[in-house]
Amino acid sequence: QVQLQESGPGLVKPSQTLSLTCTVSGDSLSSGGYRWNWIRQPAGKGLEWIGRIDFSGSTIYNPSLESRVTISVDSSKNHFSLKLRSVTAADTAVYYCAREEFVLRGDIISFFDNWGQGALVTVSS
Amino acid sequence: DIQMTQSPTSLSASVGDRVTITCRASQSISTYLNWYQQKPGKAPKLLIYAASSLQGGVPSRISGSGSGTDFTLSISSLQPEDFATYYCQQSYSAPLTFGGGTKVEI
Repeated sequence: QVQLQESGPGLVKPSQTLSLTCTVSGDSLSSGGYRWNWIRQPAGKGLEWIGRIDFSGSTIYNPSLESRVTISVDSSKNHFSLKLRSVTAADTAVYYCAREEFVLRGDIISFFDNWGQGALVTVSS
Repeated sequence: DIQMTQSPTSLSASVGDRVTITCRASQSISTYLNWYQQKPGKAPKLLIYAASSLQGGVPSRISGSGSGTDFTLSISSLQPEDFATYYCQQSYSAPLTFGGGTKVEI
């Protein structure tokens, strides 16, 4: 049973860098068939996809955040990380890490089948 | 970006009711559409993938249909544990996007 757990500071000052780590247990980040994502949700609002990394280290980001985001993986520790630079109050949200399974069914379909419990990050001085 | 629009944004229902939620994509996404359920303070949970495939462990009273731009999530007989917010999500192209959510309440 795969489990994901976010960790990192719950309070970040404006203009600084938000850093979160997602530790994965029960699965290897190096295994194929999965991509590893970050998604956020401001209080009372909907879900916003931030970006993802795959087993080869290839990344893709939401263009709305791309200039400020870096997602990286540390296979030796079986975790992947999010860095969001130059944060403002608008970046205050619950941040989720999620595993995206992709399968070949004629074409490639994908879905988020496992999520972390979420980490609340508040941007405030 | 592909915009996902859900309707209604909220609905009131009773136990035993049949409930239908609609999701519309701003362009055709074939059947690259997933549905999630989220309860307060919890992470979303996958219900349906590829528009109509039921995720393991999800009760059969929940179903999905549609293709192209129009999709529906149906709950045939609402149970107390079904009161939650539901989100659709397209996996057709990046950036992956979600609908705004539909809150199902008593």
